[in-house]
Amino acid sequence: DAGVIQSPRHEVTEMGQEVTLRCKPISGHDYLFWYRQTMMRGLELLIYFNNNVPIDDSGMPEDRFSAKMPNASFSTLKIQPSEPRDSAVYFCASSFEPPLHLSGRGAGEETQYFGPGTRLLVL
Amino acid sequence: KQEVTQIPAALSVPEGENLVLNCSFTDSAIYNLQWFRQDPGKGLTSLLLIQSSQREQTSGRLNASLDKSSGRSTLYIAASQPGDSATYLCAVITGGSYIPTFGRGTSLIVHP
Repeated sequence: DAGVIQSPRHEVTEMGQEVTLRCKPISGHDYLFWYRQTMMRGLELLIYFNNNVPIDDSGMPEDRFSAKMPNASFSTLKIQPSEPRDSAVYFCASSFEPPLHLSGRGAGEETQYFGPGTRLLVL
Repeated sequence: KQEVTQIPAALSVPEGENLVLNCSFTDSAIYNLQWFRQDPGKGLTSLLLIQSSQREQTSGRLNASLDKSSGRSTLYIAASQPGDSATYLCAVITGGSYIPTFGRGTSLIVHP
């Protein structure tokens, strides 16, 4: 498998424009996560899906952000309208089984596989 | 609200040294703590995960310990190599939240 695939790898846009980030999880994984990383706030979980259904979106910063997962092999994170403070690296991750913190089971092995990220710059 | 702090923020050492990276958290009611490695321009790779009931985990030259009562974890890297150069992040899952809280990371450079 090619791993988690994200596109585009880099995006430069102007304030007010719509931005769509894409993610293809590892085949067979039924959990998908969207993270944002900035110098100011570090790495933050935005939202995660199980079997294409959003489970927790409490990390989504505001209504300008939305995420969808229309099928098991594709997810999008959309920002409309974009603002300069949205500039960050956005990561997608997927896993085969529930993260240990959800299942309560102890596997001791990594369960989340991260994509390479999308570097977004909003001017 | 859980807060995770990593010290030092940056570290530069010669090859061969044994290293200790520190992670502290404010709320000791955690499910687990995980150490990740992030290479420049890349995503995160999980290194070690410690359940709240465990004291340490080992993988090759890496050893992670957990002292839940004092809110601390250390990542020990033995005989460091230039290939260990990366940013190391720790993340905790706090009971009830199911949302991971990440530290800002320690940027490590191991020079030949």
